[in-house]
Amino acid sequence: AQSVTQPDIHITVSEGASLELRCNYSYGATPYLFWYVQSPGQGLQLLLKYFSGDTLVQGIKGFEAEFKRSQSSFNLRKPSVHWSDAAEYFCAVEKSNYQLIWGAGTKLIIKP
Amino acid sequence: NAGVTQTPKFRVLKTGQSMTLLCAQDMNHEYMYWYRQDPGMGLRLIHYSVGEGTTAKGEVPDGYNVSRLKKQNFLLGLESAAPSQTSVYFCASSPRRAGGNQPQHFGDGTRLSIL
Repeated sequence: AQSVTQPDIHITVSEGASLELRCNYSYGATPYLFWYVQSPGQGLQLLLKYFSGDTLVQGIKGFEAEFKRSQSSFNLRKPSVHWSDAAEYFCAVEKSNYQLIWGAGTKLIIKP
Repeated sequence: NAGVTQTPKFRVLKTGQSMTLLCAQDMNHEYMYWYRQDPGMGLRLIHYSVGEGTTAKGEVPDGYNVSRLKKQNFLLGLESAAPSQTSVYFCASSPRRAGGNQPQHFGDGTRLSIL
């Protein structure tokens, strides 16, 4: 069965430091993968998506993610975080034409 | 653009009461979804719809019903609320798939407490 694992429940990073959030998936075929961000009290917003082609995907707000088939990973990165990046981040993989399977989320805390 | 609008934003119910959560989207999307979000569990799909007049069960459908009488609206009903249904509920919509999955657009959520 398909599944998504985000191993880190919380991550704390200093403002200006680099960031990597981990996502591992279990899926038989080439997956469609997504990263969403949720700011406090709000709904989720799409950061980026991977369907095929270039394994390094650029998203909004300076985020990027790299698809590594050999490691079944789709890690999210940002070279320099800002205080406004504090939020919860969710990785998801497509289950069918209509449905996504979601990771449990990683809460990003920014130290001043 | 309003996008996806959820009504109400907050609600407190007593056990056994019923209520309906309304989701409205103005993007002419075919697909609509209801999720619940609980701490440490991410999003879990309750029900979804692939078009007007259609509904289907998701991962955690028990205790909920839905209706999609109009393309722009997707209603989630709790017939007899239970404390286990205390959660934050999110509605989402997406266009019909055309050569690749389309991202889901989310409302701001409804925070529901059952006492």
